[in-house]
Amino acid sequence: DAEITQSPRHKITETGRQVTLACHQTWNHNNMFWYRQDLGHGLRLIHYSYGVQDTNKGEVSDGYSVSRSNTEDLPLTLESAASSQTSVYFCASSEGTGRWETQYFGPGTRLLVL
Amino acid sequence: GQSLEQPSEVTAVEGAIVQINCTYQTSGFYGLSWYQQHDGGAPTFLSYNALDGLEETGRFSSFLSRSDSYGYLLLQELQMKDSASYFCAVRDRGGKLIFGQGTELSVKP
Repeated sequence: DAEITQSPRHKITETGRQVTLACHQTWNHNNMFWYRQDLGHGLRLIHYSYGVQDTNKGEVSDGYSVSRSNTEDLPLTLESAASSQTSVYFCASSEGTGRWETQYFGPGTRLLVL
Repeated sequence: GQSLEQPSEVTAVEGAIVQINCTYQTSGFYGLSWYQQHDGGAPTFLSYNALDGLEETGRFSSFLSRSDSYGYLLLQELQMKDSASYFCAVRDRGGKLIFGQGTELSVKP
């Protein structure tokens, strides 16, 4: 069965370190998204991609970067981790045409920045 | 700007009907989606309305009024397992989803 996975599921890091969160989907979806979820803020879009070599900034992109070298993966990098980036991070994907509104979410990565 | 408003908490009893409202202000509205999230896990898609009216999927129904910038999710025959957070989300002209802050539904016995 097709799925979307994230790794690691839990991560503790220190302020200033570079951190990369992995996202891998086997849906063969063109669209991929990264969100962060904090109490009282719902899901906020960090970066998104509509296909290989395409990346776009979302609502809260400062301090984050992504790259899309293939269809399956969209890794999220925190260039220099800050305590304000402590959050739960969700990756999602959707079809390139048609059902844009149906996004499939990964299980999330819980990141703690000390 | 873009914004969505939904109640932060709703409580109902098992077997009852509950309605979760969502009002939105966006540029380039293309449709309203609803997602369910249990205990901080992966959100899952419930329904989508692109046109005015009611869409029914089993015990869940979703309604949209584009002229009023308003929609709601209706849950019937509530079960304990329906206790979760429910998010409305608007699809914008770029195909992205803008999420509301979520409504935590508590179903009591």
